[in-house]
Amino acid sequence: DAGVIQSPRHEVTEMGQEVTLRCKPISGHNSLFWYRQTMMRGLELLIYFNNNVPIDDSGMPEDRFSAKMPNASFSTLKIQPSEPRDSAVYFCASSPRLGAPQETQYFGPGTRLLVL
Amino acid sequence: SQQGEEDPQALSIQEGENATMNCSYKTSINNLQWYRQNSGRGLVHLILIRSNEREKHSGRLRVTLDTSKKSSSLLITASRAADTASYFCATTPNAGGTSYGKLTFGQGTILTVHP
Repeated sequence: DAGVIQSPRHEVTEMGQEVTLRCKPISGHNSLFWYRQTMMRGLELLIYFNNNVPIDDSGMPEDRFSAKMPNASFSTLKIQPSEPRDSAVYFCASSPRLGAPQETQYFGPGTRLLVL
Repeated sequence: SQQGEEDPQALSIQEGENATMNCSYKTSINNLQWYRQNSGRGLVHLILIRSNEREKHSGRLRVTLDTSKKSSSLLITASRAADTASYFCATTPNAGGTSYGKLTFGQGTILTVHP
């Protein structure tokens, strides 16, 4: 299995531009999570999906952030317009089942975003 | 806010020594997990301990859980330079609704093992 796949791995953009991060979860996993990691705030859960349906988006910082999961094998996190404070590493993770006894999450390599 | 708080924030030891990291949390949990993150990479799951378990072993890892004190510890025995990484505890709340299956991570402990 290829694991969770994220693209791009690095993104440098200018303030005001739209940024789209992509994630392909592990095949057969029903839950998908988007996290943001910064030195100041640590690892924050932004939003998670179960069976392609958003369950909790309370971690999404503001309306500039949106996430979709059109099918079981693909999700996007979009920032529009981007701001320098959005600079962070964004991780996608997937889990076999939400709330299962083994709630292990499998993380992708992350997308390192720099907004100038 | 982060549910789990790790202690210490940073730990530096020599190869062969044991490393102990602690995690405290605030609310009732379903289980607690430990993850490892190498610099510049994603998190990797190490071990999960359920709320009705007190101790669990996996190779050189030993995890304890004290639900009365809302704390957990991760012990790495006979450490190696390759164990150098950040270690995070993560909790799943014992609650329903939108918290179900949701992991909350602590700030992490940076472990450096010198060869």
